Amino acid sequence: AQSVTQLDSQVPVFEEAPVELRCNYSSSVSVYLFWYVQYPNQGLQLLLKYLSGSTLVKGINGFEAEFNKSQTSFHLRKPSVHISDTAEYFCAVSGVTSYDKVIFGPGTSLSVIP
Amino acid sequence: DGGITQSPKYLFRKEGQNVTLSCEQNLNHDAMYWYRQDPGQGLRLIYYSQIVNDFQKGDIAEGYSVSREKKESFPLTVTSAQKNPTAFYLCASSVDSDNSPLHFGNGTRLTVT
Repeated sequence: AQSVTQLDSQVPVFEEAPVELRCNYSSSVSVYLFWYVQYPNQGLQLLLKYLSGSTLVKGINGFEAEFNKSQTSFHLRKPSVHISDTAEYFCAVSGVTSYDKVIFGPGTSLSVIP
Repeated sequence: DGGITQSPKYLFRKEGQNVTLSCEQNLNHDAMYWYRQDPGQGLRLIYYSQIVNDFQKGDIAEGYSVSREKKESFPLTVTSAQKNPTAFYLCASSVDSDNSPLHFGNGTRLTVT
């Protein structure tokens, strides 16, 4: 079974500063990894995904994440945040078979300070 | 535009009443899912359906029921047996069940008093 840890429940950061949101997972099998963003009172939307290939994955809105198999991590980064990036961010993991369902982390609330 | 529609956005019910949450998608996706979101707990899977007329329990199915009579529709009924029904409910779909990315609706916030 897989599990996901997001160590930071809240991350405040000043506008135009860089940010890293941490995600670690545990799994005994190969995994797919995802980051989703949720704006207030809305559903989630996909930011980026890692299925295979290059470990550096670029997503929408200037976000990127790096898959590190040895450290079982998939941290999300953005070099310069905007006010509009204020939202809840969820890391998710799944196995690679159709029997494996997606497991979500508890989320990290990113607050961008003007 | 294709997407997932959840209705209503806000729903209020008295304890002991069953309530049905609607989820419709026009993305032609095979798989559909229901999640429950509580503060600080992320999303937990209630039920999922990989194909019409078939569905499986997720991690927290007790007190809930679903049907999948049409590809486009996957309604969720919260029954009176659900001990803590007040929550934000999210419906999602994916192209198939092979861990394709999920597309989410905007959710229904259910309050039971």
